[in-house]
Amino acid sequence: DGGITQSPKYLFRKEGQNVTLSCEQNLNHDAMYWYRQDPGQGLRLIYYSQIVNDFQKGDIAEGYSVSREKKESFPLTVTSAQKNPTAFYLCASTSRGTMNTEAFFGQGTRLTVV
Amino acid sequence: QKEVEQDPGPLSVPEGAIVSLNCTYSNSAFQYFMWYRQYSRKGPELLMYTYSSGNKEDGRFTAQVDKSSKYISLFIRDSQPSDSATYLCAMSKGGTSYGKLTFGQGTILTVHP
Repeated sequence: DGGITQSPKYLFRKEGQNVTLSCEQNLNHDAMYWYRQDPGQGLRLIYYSQIVNDFQKGDIAEGYSVSREKKESFPLTVTSAQKNPTAFYLCASTSRGTMNTEAFFGQGTRLTVV
Repeated sequence: QKEVEQDPGPLSVPEGAIVSLNCTYSNSAFQYFMWYRQYSRKGPELLMYTYSSGNKEDGRFTAQVDKSSKYISLFIRDSQPSDSATYLCAMSKGGTSYGKLTFGQGTILTVHP
């Protein structure tokens, strides 16, 4: 079955530690996205990539980094510079067509700072 | 001021009720309008997708877009307990911005038997 797989489902980070969230898709989509969800704030865009080896900052990129070495994979690193990383992180992908902007989401990773 | 505002709720209705969910937006560049449903601790799933103004119906769900008023709605008829979830409106400018979605805050809906 085609879809987006995020791992791990739950992640705990110590203060000052970098952690990497995995996102893999087998939908053959060109574009991939990372969103952050906090209670009462909807989803906010962290980074996005429309093609391999290229990515752009979203609205809240500070303290995060990404890479896009393969079409199927778009990992997100939460660095120690992110002051409030506890949140639900969602990865999404879309096809490249300009008329179809349906985004498919993974099941999310819940990150908690301990 | 946020680009997209959504009634936060929470909303609690009896089974069989008609539910109305709404969002307003400020950026006239938005062309594509979506409603996502999100169950607890899960990723959002697309419910309805509309391009520009108009109505779209799919089973018990109807989406309305009024671009002149910058207002979108989702109606759920004959609501069921399984409809209990968070509903998120989302918008996109299309073109080279395809897939970059701006979301509302989400409305928590509970349908009780």
